[in-house]
Amino acid sequence: DQQVKQNSPSLSVQEGRISILNCDYTNSMFDYFLWYKKYPAEGPTFLISISSIKDKNEDGRFTVFLNKSAKHLSLHIVPSQPGDSAVYFCAALIQGAQKLVFGQGTRLTINP
Amino acid sequence: KAGVTQTPRYLIKTRGQQVTLSCSPISGHRSVSWYQQTPGQGLQFLFEYFSETQRNKGNFPGRFSGRQFSNSRSEMNVSTLELGDSALYLCASSLGDRKYGYTFGSGTRLTVV
Repeated sequence: DQQVKQNSPSLSVQEGRISILNCDYTNSMFDYFLWYKKYPAEGPTFLISISSIKDKNEDGRFTVFLNKSAKHLSLHIVPSQPGDSAVYFCAALIQGAQKLVFGQGTRLTINP
Repeated sequence: KAGVTQTPRYLIKTRGQQVTLSCSPISGHRSVSWYQQTPGQGLQFLFEYFSETQRNKGNFPGRFSGRQFSNSRSEMNVSTLELGDSALYLCASSLGDRKYGYTFGSGTRLTVV
């Protein structure tokens, strides 16, 4: 039962443009959503999070949007830079539990 | 400050053996979690410890176990290794503020042959 889904395994974007990564979830008990970036042979690095009571959170070039009615969230990266090339994971925390549920990841490639 | 440290980085074991992986969390972090990453199943939660007590457990067989010491350092053990246990094992620590999630270590790459 995949509670957090990232339907796009890969995404290619030109440098300087906007990258939009998408994530869908099924469990209404999630109270926090997080995005992580991962390079090969390294652990995931935390990027940004959003509480389930918010609909937007911004941090520098990264903005996360949450649409609770559609059970959908997205990560916007503007402008995209070559160093942004990595695998991006969407994750969620269940209320009352310290357990991250991850999506399958989206490989983002930024082309010069 | 120092990040989450996992040792060893790489490990090769034979089927049937057991293995112990170690994790030192960020100083002051009392919550430590373990995750398994495989190409087929992605990142999956194994268990979480807080103040030496297991608070949460994922859907893994009893061959996977862990513990946490009084200094918050944690170990996980896998007994009777199977080929399918080959994976990247990640440890993560947290202060408990949910909006920052967890800080991950670089992982231990376990290969079972």
